Amino acid sequence: SQKIEQNSEALNIQEGKTATLTCNYTNYSPAYLQWYRQDPGRGPVFLLLIRENEKEKRKERLKVTFDTTLKQSLFHITASQPADSATYLCALNPYGNKLVFGAGTILRVKS
Amino acid sequence: DSGVTQTPKHLITATGQRVTLRCSPRSGDLSVYWYQQSLDQGLQFLIHYYNGEERAKGNILERFSAQQFPDLHSELNLSSLELGDSALYFCASSPEPALNTEAFFGQGTRLTVV
Repeated sequence: SQKIEQNSEALNIQEGKTATLTCNYTNYSPAYLQWYRQDPGRGPVFLLLIRENEKEKRKERLKVTFDTTLKQSLFHITASQPADSATYLCALNPYGNKLVFGAGTILRVKS
Repeated sequence: DSGVTQTPKHLITATGQRVTLRCSPRSGDLSVYWYQQSLDQGLQFLIHYYNGEERAKGNILERFSAQQFPDLHSELNLSSLELGDSALYFCASSPEPALNTEAFFGQGTRLTVV
């Protein structure tokens, strides 16, 4: 069956360190993969989109990699801050007009 | 502010009732997506409309229906409500029918069925 897996355990890191979140998928061949941030009780907010022919994408302190052979995306936040604490969701489109989300990883950045 | 407006923000209703959730997409966006988020299930795709036409369906129950109107706003109708329908319902919009651009999410409608 098709699955998107993100670290179910919360990730706790110290301010200033790099946070690395993982998104693995099986039985999909997505053309795009997206990362969103969600704060409690709020709607997800788009962060980055990476295409299947792109290995890496950056935006300010954020970096995403996409390995279609490993079927994995890594999401990095460098110089993390307490304000980065949130749930991070990866999403992909398996086919057509459907964006499927992983369950999300909670990131907690402690000062 | 994403530009996507959802009303109402909160809704409390009894089992067996019917409710309508409303979504106004960002100006110019033709695609509207509906998602359900419950504590134990994460974000579940329900349905996608593009310019008034249904384009994709997810795990949407038969008791649920949706439509997109000529002015592009969308409504999600939930009927014969059950306790398990309690969740956050999000709509998202994007300019394109395909998902090669970001989706903009509203703040959601929190539905509580008692």
